[in-house]
Amino acid sequence: EIVMTQSPPTLSVSPGEGATLSCRASQNIGTTLAWYQQKPGQAPRLLIYGASTRATGIPARFSGSGSGTEFTLSISSLQSEDFALYYCQQYNNWLLSTFGQGTKLEIK
Amino acid sequence: EVQLVESGGAVIQPGGSLKLSCAASGFSFDDYTMHWVRHAPGTGLEWVSLISWDGDTTYYADSVKGRFTISRDNSKSSLFLQMDSLRSEDTAFYYCAKDLQDMTTIFDYWGQGTLVTVSS
Repeated sequence: EIVMTQSPPTLSVSPGEGATLSCRASQNIGTTLAWYQQKPGQAPRLLIYGASTRATGIPARFSGSGSGTEFTLSISSLQSEDFALYYCQQYNNWLLSTFGQGTKLEIK
Repeated sequence: EVQLVESGGAVIQPGGSLKLSCAASGFSFDDYTMHWVRHAPGTGLEWVSLISWDGDTTYYADSVKGRFTISRDNSKSSLFLQMDSLRSEDTAFYYCAKDLQDMTTIFDYWGQGTLVTVSS
C-alpha cells in the first residue's frame, strides 16, 4: 500500500496571505495525485488532479505541483471560504488508491 | 448541477446487514463509473468499491471484499451498497462519488455522506 503523508496537520494563516500544503508518497507515483477540499457538513470537492490540473470551476488561486513522491498544493491570497480540510489522494494503482490524513487550514 | 444524495445509514449491530442508496442527478449517470468511499472517525478516507457504467465490472477494497456488494440501476440513476456481516470497523460516513472519467479513481463529485454506526 502506498502511504500518503500530509504536512502540517494544521496550518494557521491569515486571510489574504498564501498557504502551502505538502503531501508525500511512500513511493513514486508520477503525477497520479489529486487534492480535495472538505468543509464541515459538506461533501468533499475535487480541486486538482494529475498533480497540477485544476478541476472544473476551481479558482486560479489554487495550484498544484510536484511529481514522484513530493507534492504541493498552493493557495494564494486566502479567502474566508478557503479555510477547510484538505486531503491528497494517490491513484497510481487505481484499485489501491489511498488518501492522506488531511491538513486543516485554519484562520490565524 | 450534479447532485448525489446518499441514504440508508443507521445504527446496526455487529453481524447485521444494511443497504445504502445514492440518488444521482444532473449528469448522464449511465456514462460513468461510480464509487463508494468511506471516512471512519479518526482515520483517513478509504476507497471502498467501484462499479463500471454498465454494472458489469466491480471492484472492492480488501477490507470489504466478500461482505459488501455494489450495484446500480441506470434506469433510476441510482447506486447501491449492500453491506453484510458488518463489523465495528465499518463504522464510518459513506460517500457516493462519481468518477471523473472511466475508472480513473478520481472523484469529481461527492455526496454529503450517510453515517453507518456498527455497535451493540
